[in-house]
Amino acid sequence: KNQVEQSPQSLIILEGKNCTLQCNYTVSPFSNLRWYKQDTGRGPVSLTIMTFSENTKSNGRYTATLDADTKQSSLHITASQLSDSASYICVVRWTTDSWGKFQFGAGTQVVVTP
Amino acid sequence: EAGVTQFPSHSVIEKGQTVTLRCDPISGHDNLYWYRRVMGKEIKFLLHFVKESKQDESGMPNNRFLAERTGGTYSTLKVQPAELEDSGVYFCASSQAGGPIGEQFFGPGTRLTVL
Repeated sequence: KNQVEQSPQSLIILEGKNCTLQCNYTVSPFSNLRWYKQDTGRGPVSLTIMTFSENTKSNGRYTATLDADTKQSSLHITASQLSDSASYICVVRWTTDSWGKFQFGAGTQVVVTP
Repeated sequence: EAGVTQFPSHSVIEKGQTVTLRCDPISGHDNLYWYRRVMGKEIKFLLHFVKESKQDESGMPNNRFLAERTGGTYSTLKVQPAELEDSGVYFCASSQAGGPIGEQFFGPGTRLTVL
């Protein structure tokens, strides 16, 4: 069964601190892995997309890593800001045809406090 | 450039009523997706349009849900009759490229509450 598990479910961090979110998946056959940021009341916004051959990808203060062998990914937020408060969703795309399907994780709720 | 828009933003209806959700994708995007997030659960795929054709509707819960995409532009998702378990946030997303790396742009969602 294709699954995407994220941890922790939620976390609170102080402004300026770093944090790391985890994503483990059992999706197969793997196509790519995406991290999204979802602000309250908004739709998810893409942060990074990584394919099988990519180990690291950055987008500003966000850095995603991928270990396709262990089927794990992480999202590291550096020097957190209040605007980083959001839900972070890991999504894995798997392909059985040219279009593929998406399996979403439940998300990690991040709260950045002053 | 306008993003993906959805209407209404909120809808509260009674069990047994009909509701129609609308999604306007980014202009020129052939791929349109519908997703749903039930409270406490992950976002789940409902269906995928390529232009006006349904490419994949394997995520549609049952025949009370009907999606259309007239002329390959905007799309509607009708729930008839609505049940309590249909409550959730319905997201629409569009992408220009349907391949593996095609980036999806999400709308803000429609929050549906069935009483």
